[in-house]
Amino acid sequence: QVQLQESGPGLVKPSQTLSLTCTVSGGSISSSGYYWSWIRQHPGKGLEWIGYIYLSGYTYYNPSLKSLPTISLDTSKNQFSLKLSSVTAADTAVYYCATYHLGFFDNWGQGTLVTVSS
Amino acid sequence: DIQMTQSPSSLSASVGDRVTIACQASQDIGNYLNWYQQKPGKAPNLLIYDASNVETGVPSRFSGSGSGTDFTLTINSLQPEDIATYYCQQYDSVPPLTFGGGTKVEIK
Repeated sequence: QVQLQESGPGLVKPSQTLSLTCTVSGGSISSSGYYWSWIRQHPGKGLEWIGYIYLSGYTYYNPSLKSLPTISLDTSKNQFSLKLSSVTAADTAVYYCATYHLGFFDNWGQGTLVTVSS
Repeated sequence: DIQMTQSPSSLSASVGDRVTIACQASQDIGNYLNWYQQKPGKAPNLLIYDASNVETGVPSRFSGSGSGTDFTLTINSLQPEDIATYYCQQYDSVPPLTFGGGTKVEIK
């Protein structure tokens, strides 16, 4: 069973870049068929898909996001990362990393709260 | 983008009741619809995939049905541990993957 763990700063200043890392254990990030994903949840709200990356480096992002995301893979560390640039208070949320496979998200990290505030 | 609309947004039911949650897509998504359960302070957990397939380990009181634009999640005999918010998610048209707004289930 793949396990995921998010890490990164819990507080980011407005206009700066939010950076999070997801460490994968119990499986290889080089496994075919899996898309390594980021999802967020604003406080008390629903789920919003940010984007995902495949082993080939192919990425798909949610075009409705105002802050531009970048997702990358580090196969040597079995990790993948999210960067969100020029953040505002509207990017305050719990951020989850997850595996996307055959159309569904089947493994999730526990989530990490990121607050955007000066 | 495909919009997913869930109803009701919240409900209160008694232990042992049958609970039904609806999810409507803004266009035909076939059976490309999944359901998740999210307990307070926890990550979501996959319950149902492809509209009606129960994920391994999920209690048999959970079932899903529907196709096209209208889908239903049913909990037969609600249990106290089913207190959670339930989300539907479509993957017919990507990007973006989209979720419904959620249905919060409480015990009466």
